[in-house]
Amino acid sequence: QKEVEQNSGPLSVPEGAIASLNCTYSDRGSQSFFWYRQYSGKSPELIMFIYSNGDKEDGRFTAQLNKASQYVSLLIRDSQPSDSATYLCAVFTSYGKLTFGQGTILTVHP
Amino acid sequence: EAGVVQSPRYKIIEKKQPVAFWCNPISGHNTLYWYLQNLGQGPELLIRYENEEAVDDSQLPKDRFSAERLKGVDSTLKIQPAELGDSAVYLCASSFPGQYNEQFFGPGTRLTVL
Repeated sequence: QKEVEQNSGPLSVPEGAIASLNCTYSDRGSQSFFWYRQYSGKSPELIMFIYSNGDKEDGRFTAQLNKASQYVSLLIRDSQPSDSATYLCAVFTSYGKLTFGQGTILTVHP
Repeated sequence: EAGVVQSPRYKIIEKKQPVAFWCNPISGHNTLYWYLQNLGQGPELLIRYENEEAVDDSQLPKDRFSAERLKGVDSTLKIQPAELGDSAVYLCASSFPGQYNEQFFGPGTRLTVL
């Protein structure tokens, strides 16, 4: 079992729709959870982080965390073509390491 | 506030040659990381520094890779000799020490070994 797994992509949504990105993790003692966006040929950019169970909203982005289910998600409302990128889920584990998923490619088409 | 700076941005070398990458973290960030990212994968940690001390280098292939962080600021990652399989993007990141570990990445160095 991989430490951090993301839903297989690529994910394609129409402009204006909600994009839903999902991630599960294996280390129950993990403390903090991050979503990075990575455009092609660029480095990862931190867009959201969450530490507590529940929802955290920042503009069009909402991160959701359920520690009991070991599940974290990212919702992008009113998706725009500029949101097209690879989204990386990262988990800060109980042994002090930030572990990344393999990424989900999102394409928002006009 | 300036971000993480890396150089060079691109490097092409022949196998068995040495190569070095340089990183300057965000001012005040005591923790510095070197990651390797292969195409289609997430970054994988190579080494983590807390100030000058390498506190996690378990994933660093020590037979050919070395790193240093003199004076607890800039860092250099070296490969000698490079192999074809080392072709990847090498990312540097930094963070404040603390509970939540928000890491910020530099632009990366894309290494091609021929």
